Amino acid sequence: NAGVMQNPRHLVRRRGQEARLRCSPMKGHSHVYWYRQLPEEGLKFMVYLQKENIIDESGMPKERFSAEFPKEGPSILRIQQVVRGDSAAYFCASSQGLAGGNEQFFGPGTRLTVL
Amino acid sequence: QKEVEQNSGPLSVPEGAIASLNCTYSDRGSQSFFWYRQYSGKSPELIMSIYSNGDKEDGRFTAQLNKASQYVSLLIRDSQPSDSATYLCAVNIGGSNYKLTFGKGTLLTVNP
Repeated sequence: NAGVMQNPRHLVRRRGQEARLRCSPMKGHSHVYWYRQLPEEGLKFMVYLQKENIIDESGMPKERFSAEFPKEGPSILRIQQVVRGDSAAYFCASSQGLAGGNEQFFGPGTRLTVL
Repeated sequence: QKEVEQNSGPLSVPEGAIASLNCTYSDRGSQSFFWYRQYSGKSPELIMSIYSNGDKEDGRFTAQLNKASQYVSLLIRDSQPSDSATYLCAVNIGGSNYKLTFGKGTLLTVNP
């Protein structure tokens, strides 16, 4: 499967725990984006990363959220001390680059439930 | 004014009809426009991208862009029940060529 992969697909955490969401981009893609979709709301941009670099994290909450895309391995979105309001679908997308329009392809998402 | 606006629907069309989905955006400088389809509980799937004024056709789908009117649309010809989904308009807003701003989507129902 050459598509964007995300795991886990479903994640349940209790308030105060940590959530780690993983994303492997499509083969040949080096640009990764994270989006969050809250119930009844649209998709919201969170962060844009390239290998070992955070390019734009303007959509990330200032506290508890962090993202990385190491030289080896998947991109990680980390949420510390989760609260109920963090319950949402988190989607990762990848693209080949910015030239030519930057079409972004989405993974299946991780559905986070905070109890 | 919201950055990307879509009618929430639901839009209901009979099988075989043309479904017309509309989207307006606020940033006159936007250059890249995308339509995604999202089935309930699934992830967005890219259907069309359009960057120049005019029409772009791909199978039963036609995207139309009018930058002067800040308007982009998606036409679905010969609609099928399997087209029933939420259609999301996405635009690069605010001078960014990578950050997509999404509308809330239009729910389309195609009735057999």
